[in-house]
Amino acid sequence: DAGITQSPRHKVTETGTPVTLRCHQTENHRYMYWYRQDPGHGLRLIHYSYGVKDTDKGEVSDGYSVSRSKTEDFLLTLESATSSQTSVYFCAISELPRGDLGYTFGSGTRLTVV
Amino acid sequence: KNEVEQSPQNLTAQEGEFITINCSYSVGISALHWLQQHPGGGIVSLFMLSSGKKKHGRLIATINIQEKHSSLHITASHPRDSAVYICAWVGGSQGNLIFGKGTKLSVKP
Repeated sequence: DAGITQSPRHKVTETGTPVTLRCHQTENHRYMYWYRQDPGHGLRLIHYSYGVKDTDKGEVSDGYSVSRSKTEDFLLTLESATSSQTSVYFCAISELPRGDLGYTFGSGTRLTVV
Repeated sequence: KNEVEQSPQNLTAQEGEFITINCSYSVGISALHWLQQHPGGGIVSLFMLSSGKKKHGRLIATINIQEKHSSLHITASHPRDSAVYICAWVGGSQGNLIFGKGTKLSVKP
């Protein structure tokens, strides 16, 4: 009954290639977020969206771009993947600002850049 | 700079023990979230707190806004409670979270 799905779940790619990760939700939530998780760090915000075509940068946005052309999909693109972008990527959604009704997280995408 | 500090980083307990995980933060906040990350990687929201205490089953979360401190308690711990527990606060106007690094809990049978 997952209201949020991420694809792919795992990906291995070569340095310099473009990569797109997809976050799809069926909850019609306005707010969507992309985070990355690395050992020794808490999850860190890459980009977020507060509506269709409304996006903004997070703490670690360099080397990433996003697009949200419809409510249900939030795409994260690595224009030219680097080894430092090897990480686990999580998408999250929330119905209200500030997560007043909580957040729902996707299952994560494990990306390896070789 | 991580503005959320969790302790301990790692915790091993015997089944049945009472568990406490602490979270301290350095800025004034209006609410704090507790999350659970299972060994398989999935993340689940447990609580959102703005004051006082909340309880769900064997989990209890408390917060003291003035002291900038929150705790997560697990009563009668069980091996299935083994996970990483993460506290986070809303750091931006659009609801993005600022996360602690997590506390890895292992409950032995």
